Amino acid sequence: GAVVSQHPSRVICKSGTSVKIECRSLDFQATTMFWYRQFPKQSLMLMATSNEGSKATYEQGVEKDKFLINHASLTLSTLTVTSAHPEDSSFYICSASRGSVAGEWSYNEQFFGPGTRLTVL
Amino acid sequence: GIQVEQSPPDLILQEGANSTLRCNFSDSVNNLQWFHQNPWGQLINLFYIPSGTKQNGRLSATTVATERYSLLYISSSQTTDSGVYFCAVERGGFKTIFGAGTRLFVKA
Repeated sequence: GAVVSQHPSRVICKSGTSVKIECRSLDFQATTMFWYRQFPKQSLMLMATSNEGSKATYEQGVEKDKFLINHASLTLSTLTVTSAHPEDSSFYICSASRGSVAGEWSYNEQFFGPGTRLTVL
Repeated sequence: GIQVEQSPPDLILQEGANSTLRCNFSDSVNNLQWFHQNPWGQLINLFYIPSGTKQNGRLSATTVATERYSLLYISSSQTTDSGVYFCAVERGGFKTIFGAGTRLFVKA
């Protein structure tokens, strides 16, 4: 249980194009999904938090018009990098959490997808 | 905001050795998790441990919430343990803060 997938795993695009990354919780319903960004040899930085059916909450310094997040259902969230530029090249990772359920997972425990490596030329 | 410090930043072990990784945090937290990021970037959940002690095979973790630290113990290390170990805390409102990580290399 607790499997999160991301698609695509790797994408190379030209500057100015938009890229959509999908994050799915495969075997549970995620009350909340998170998007992180990781530069080489650095830690993960939270970009935004999204709940199904409501607008995402962006961290300070993250442009919401640049990084569009849609949490369409309890198993799917998408991140669209609009008008991508070389400085947007990074490793993007999503995670999903589920509220407390008796017997198995702890409240707010996050499970991570495998990540998407974006390269903007 | 809350600060999360991990030590040591880098660690090289001979296969079979034991090690202790530390995570200090500057304020009270609701949740704390330990992750292992493998060379392909996947984060693997090790422990969800806002307080107390847990064990899973060769790994164990202890969080002393009142003193604001957590320890991850790796015993009888194997080459497959190599990677980066992250501590992540959540104070409230779903905002998760990651430490800088401990980069571990286990030599055969």
